[in-house]
Amino acid sequence: KQEVTQIPAALSVPEGENLVLNCSFTDSAIYNLQWFRQDPGKGLTSLLLIQSSQREQTSGRLNASLDKSSGRSTLYIAASQPGDSATYLCAVVGFSGGYNKLIFGAGTRLAVHP
Amino acid sequence: GAVVSQHPSRVICKSGTSVKIECRSLDFQATTMFWYRQFPKQSLMLMATSNEGSKATYEQGVEKDKFLINHASLTLSTLTVTSAHPEDSSFYICSADRGRLSGELFFGEGSRLTVL
Repeated sequence: KQEVTQIPAALSVPEGENLVLNCSFTDSAIYNLQWFRQDPGKGLTSLLLIQSSQREQTSGRLNASLDKSSGRSTLYIAASQPGDSATYLCAVVGFSGGYNKLIFGAGTRLAVHP
Repeated sequence: GAVVSQHPSRVICKSGTSVKIECRSLDFQATTMFWYRQFPKQSLMLMATSNEGSKATYEQGVEKDKFLINHASLTLSTLTVTSAHPEDSSFYICSADRGRLSGELFFGEGSRLTVL
């Protein structure tokens, strides 16, 4: 059974710092990995999608890497801003029971203070 | 990008009543939709997989008779929480599979259910 773990569970940093959020998964047979952002009481916003054949994806100040063999992904946030404060969720997609299923980690709650 | 809409975004109901939540894919057809439940400060837990024209597949521990799922068309799936109780209060989120090779899933904005 696929399990996704995110470390740290919470993070509080001053504005401007570069951050690394970690995600690990137990079953390397994944289709892809997605990083999401969730603001309190809101739905999910997709940040980056990395296909299993890729090693990284970049979008603005965000960079996500994937090492499928070791079951790890990192989300790098450069020059953090207060507006980055949110919960960041990592999720892997595996083909199970005839469908692409998304399994989530518990998330990292990020607070960036001015 | 693909858009998934959920309605209602918030609902408050009395214990014992049933509540229906809709999930629509607005600009694409979704043969498969997924329903998740999220408790405060916890991650999303997959409840069931909804496949157009057939019965939903429920995850272990999810009561089929409690959470009725109907996927009547390629753009609409509904989740009905029957005889709701306070412990059913939660944040429910749906996602839709556009079916392309990327495997990317798109999420609705979620529905906050509060059962009094």
